[in-house]
Amino acid sequence: GENVEQHPSTLSVQEGDSAVIKCTYSDSASNYFPWYKQELGKRPQLIIDIRSNVGEKKDQRIAVTLNKTAKHFSLHITETQPEDSAVYFCAASGSARQLTFGSGTQLTVLP
Amino acid sequence: GAGVSQSPSNKVTEKGKDVELRCDPISGHTALYWYRQRLGQGLEFLIYFQGNSAPDKSGLPSDRFSAERTGESVSTLTIQRTQQEDSAVYLCASRRTADNYGYTFGSGTRLTVV
Repeated sequence: GENVEQHPSTLSVQEGDSAVIKCTYSDSASNYFPWYKQELGKRPQLIIDIRSNVGEKKDQRIAVTLNKTAKHFSLHITETQPEDSAVYFCAASGSARQLTFGSGTQLTVLP
Repeated sequence: GAGVSQSPSNKVTEKGKDVELRCDPISGHTALYWYRQRLGQGLEFLIYFQGNSAPDKSGLPSDRFSAERTGESVSTLTIQRTQQEDSAVYLCASRRTADNYGYTFGSGTRLTVV
């Protein structure tokens, strides 16, 4: 089955700096890669996703890149703000039609 | 409905009791998933329903866990003889059949076994 590794587990950045979270996956058949933001005590919220037919997608301060050859994808947040502080999860989905999640990254944006 | 609805939002139960958790997916979403999230950890896949196909139960951790789905609507996750290690948030998600995208999560049921 699919295995998703996520790094780092914790990340602290100064407000205004960029944050990068990286994930690798094992199943070459995976074709969908969403990123979720989870605030304390709340449900995971989809913030951006990418499909395997594109290499990069951007939505305002958030971007995701995908390297299918290397089987890794990354989340980039620019101009970070304190409200970006949360746990971020990457996930991958393919032929099994189920999401396999990374272990999460606790992002803290310091004012 | 407008979103994925789960009930109860919180459940405290005594060790050894059975519990039943409920999920109402978004109308028209034929795929439904259950995940478990222990405190401070990631989401573990439990079970997946797709229409009338046999469910994918590969993530259920033991035979104390079972789930059912009525047609393409409500699903219930049952945990028998609960143990303290079952304490977690149980999240339900649904998505449309037509593609592999657009998973939407409910707000979860926080289960505490005392």
